Amino acid sequence: AQSVTQPDIHITVSEGASLELRCNYSYGATPYLFWYVQSPGQGLQLLLKYFSGDTLVQGIKGFEAEFKRSQSSFNLRKPSVHWSDAAEYFCAVGAGSSASKIIFGSGTRLSIRP
Amino acid sequence: GAGVSQSPSNKVTEKGKDVELRCDPISGHTALYWYRQRLGQGLEFLIYFQGNSAPDKSGLPSDRFSAERTGESVSTLTIQRTQQEDSAVYLCASPPSGGVSGANVLTFGAGSRLTVL
Repeated sequence: AQSVTQPDIHITVSEGASLELRCNYSYGATPYLFWYVQSPGQGLQLLLKYFSGDTLVQGIKGFEAEFKRSQSSFNLRKPSVHWSDAAEYFCAVGAGSSASKIIFGSGTRLSIRP
Repeated sequence: GAGVSQSPSNKVTEKGKDVELRCDPISGHTALYWYRQRLGQGLEFLIYFQGNSAPDKSGLPSDRFSAERTGESVSTLTIQRTQQEDSAVYLCASPPSGGVSGANVLTFGAGSRLTVL
């Protein structure tokens, strides 16, 4: 069965600083990988996804993530964060035919220091 | 409909009572997921429906939890004899036909917040 680990529960960065949120997955085959964001009081929004092809994927709001098979990682990055990026970020992995079972990590809460 | 609709949006119940939570997926979406999100926690997979196939119930935490879906329509998540630890937001999500691939992604409902006193 697949699993996802987000080792950082809470991260604080200064506005304008770069960001990297870690995600490690466990799955025997090539997984489907996702990053979702949940802003306070809001629903879940997809930032980006990886299914195949180029291992560096671009998402919305200036986010990108890189799939590294050798490290079983799919870390989320942003070169310069904005105060509006403060939210909870979830990494997810899908497995099986058409990613029929999607498992989410426990999330990383991002705070922005003015 | 245009989005995933869940009801009720909020439910407060007494310990030991049964509750039913409803999910109306996007029209034409054959797959449907239920997740649970406790306060300050991540999303916990509960159950997955795909068309007429047997549902994947591997995430249901106990036999007090059950879910039904008839065809590609509404799904109901039932929690019997509720306990305080059942308090959470219950989220429903559906991808388009064929599952999550290519441009298809999970679309989430706004959730049903359950509080067990």
